[in-house]
Amino acid sequence: DAGVIQSPRHEVTEMGQEVTLRCKPISGHNSLFWYRQTMMRGLELLIYFNNNVPIDDSGMPEDRFSAKMPNASFSTLKIQPSEPRDSAVYFCASSLTVRNQPQHFGDGTRLSIL
Amino acid sequence: GQQVMQIPQYQHVQEGEDFTTYCNSSTTLSNIQWYKQRPGGHPVFLIQLVKSGEVKKQKRLTFQFGEAKKNSSLHITATQTTDVGTYFCAESNTGNQFYFGTGTSLTVIP
Repeated sequence: DAGVIQSPRHEVTEMGQEVTLRCKPISGHNSLFWYRQTMMRGLELLIYFNNNVPIDDSGMPEDRFSAKMPNASFSTLKIQPSEPRDSAVYFCASSLTVRNQPQHFGDGTRLSIL
Repeated sequence: GQQVMQIPQYQHVQEGEDFTTYCNSSTTLSNIQWYKQRPGGHPVFLIQLVKSGEVKKQKRLTFQFGEAKKNSSLHITATQTTDVGTYFCAESNTGNQFYFGTGTSLTVIP
């Protein structure tokens, strides 16, 4: 069975450029989560969706970050313009429902902003 | 925001020794989950605890939920090198928020 699929696995770009991270959740999962992981801040929840609808985006750092889920099998996290402090590993996870269910994580996107 | 304190931050043990990590919340939790992240990998779900005082075991791993549902622990008996990684608790309160703890990084010395 396919797990959560994220692309790209690695991204290196210059500051000011637009970055788009992609995620395909596990089929049948209704909830999708975007996380950012750094040594300093640990694993932070950025935003999550339920049935393709954004439920809580209070973890999104600032207006440069945006996320969409146009359908049940695809989500994007966009950073525009990117800054060096955005460098981190970004994980996407999905679960059957928002609560009381295990979250299945993708392999992550390692983002470096120069 | 909700504080999810996890201690210790780092733990080095000799192979064969026991290991425990603790998760403490400032609020009463509806449930708690535990995850393991290997170096360079992604978090992998281990278990979920829901009931007050609940204890669950997975081979050498023992998970416990406090009576007041404000704390939890993960204990590993006789650690092995395959136990290396960072262990996270993830808490859910009465709302829809999920908060991951700061994690405990376990190093096992062969």
